[in-house]
Amino acid sequence: DAKTTQPNSMESNEEEPVHLPCNHSTISGTDYIHWYRQLPSQGPEYVIHGLTSNVNNRMASLAIAEDRKSSTLILHRATLRDAAVYYCILKGYYGGSQGNLIFGKGTKLSVKP
Amino acid sequence: KAGVTQTPRYLIKTRGQQVTLSCSPISGHRSVSWYQQTPGQGLQFLFEYFSETQRNKGNFPGRFSGRQFSNSRSEMNVSTLELGDSALYLCASSFDFWGRQFFGPGTRLTVL
Repeated sequence: DAKTTQPNSMESNEEEPVHLPCNHSTISGTDYIHWYRQLPSQGPEYVIHGLTSNVNNRMASLAIAEDRKSSTLILHRATLRDAAVYYCILKGYYGGSQGNLIFGKGTKLSVKP
Repeated sequence: KAGVTQTPRYLIKTRGQQVTLSCSPISGHRSVSWYQQTPGQGLQFLFEYFSETQRNKGNFPGRFSGRQFSNSRSEMNVSTLELGDSALYLCASSFDFWGRQFFGPGTRLTVL
């Protein structure tokens, strides 16, 4: 699986937007970009995923660069509950694909009241 | 739908013992993956099962093993426990290989 690079940590103020970057310069054409987050003392939870186009759901938006070498997870209004470690993961979809996720170090997001 | 459940939630064992952890996936999910999380190594993939067959295995010694039953429930076993096996063991289920994974709360294993 291709590797991703994320900042170790970021800080945000409550109710402000947060942009979490991810670089994946070796992404292949069949790789989807997934984001998961892990709140303290919990298992990871799915946030969003996309292939080429920008994606939105109730939790966040995913902006994918035109060359797909980078992406940004956008939390529109950070809350204290969004303080977590955010993981950007590439997952390939092709015949015989493996279902498991390869986690990196992620970005620890702190939200200040 | 009930989420992924893992039992027990906490476990204390001593070196040399063996342990079995259990995972019940979300109803209808056929794929179950196991992960180990430690402060030093982060989240590492252990193995993945689909329809009772191990599909993929991470880079862990043979002391770590698992299986999946016909109802998709899964167990993992660690034999001859070492201090370094102390970790949070997470189970995740998904409907198939490509779907989003749903994680359980984990089993916290402490080896003394």
